[in-house]
Amino acid sequence: GAVVSQHPSWVICKSGTSVKIECRSLDFQATTMFWYRQFPKQSLMLMATSNEGSKATYEQGVEKDKFLINHASLTLSTLTVTSAHPEDSSFYICSARVGSGSDTQYFGPGTRLTVL
Amino acid sequence: EDQVTQSPEALRLQEGESSSLNCSYTVSGLRGLFWYRQDPGKGPEFLFTLYSAGEEKEKERLKATLTKKESFLHITAPKPEDSATYLCAVQAEASKIIFGSGTRLSIRP
Repeated sequence: GAVVSQHPSWVICKSGTSVKIECRSLDFQATTMFWYRQFPKQSLMLMATSNEGSKATYEQGVEKDKFLINHASLTLSTLTVTSAHPEDSSFYICSARVGSGSDTQYFGPGTRLTVL
Repeated sequence: EDQVTQSPEALRLQEGESSSLNCSYTVSGLRGLFWYRQDPGKGPEFLFTLYSAGEEKEKERLKATLTKKESFLHITAPKPEDSATYLCAVQAEASKIIFGSGTRLSIRP
């Protein structure tokens, strides 16, 4: 149980284009999902917290107009990187929390984004 | 300010050589401490959640313990497939979880 998927697993795009990453909870409903970014040999940095049916809460320094998050259902959250630039190249990982009584987060497999 | 510090940064062991990874934390009102395993190019895999000092949890060759200031992840008789980065994270009351920088564990056959 508690399986989270991400799609795509990797993507290469040209500078200036937008890229959408999907995060799905496969066997549970997730009222809260999280988006992280990870640079090589570094730990995870929280970008934003996504609550179903409401606006995402972004961490300090994360541009909400550049990283658009939509959590339209209890099993799906999307992250859209708009007007991507090479410095946006990174490993993006989502996680989901099971219900509201548990604090444990289960992570997706991650999406490797490369912007040329 | 809430902080999580993991040590050592990297650890190389011989197969069968038991050891421990440390996670020290300072947080106001611990709500939970989490251990994850992360393989290269993959998302973190959940291992344990600990909630209060004195609590212990085990899974195969891994055992996690918790005190008021730190947590240990003990690995007994490790195998090469245990090689990975082990991440510790803490959550204070009504706040986001904070990750440590991880310990890169390498087990030589």
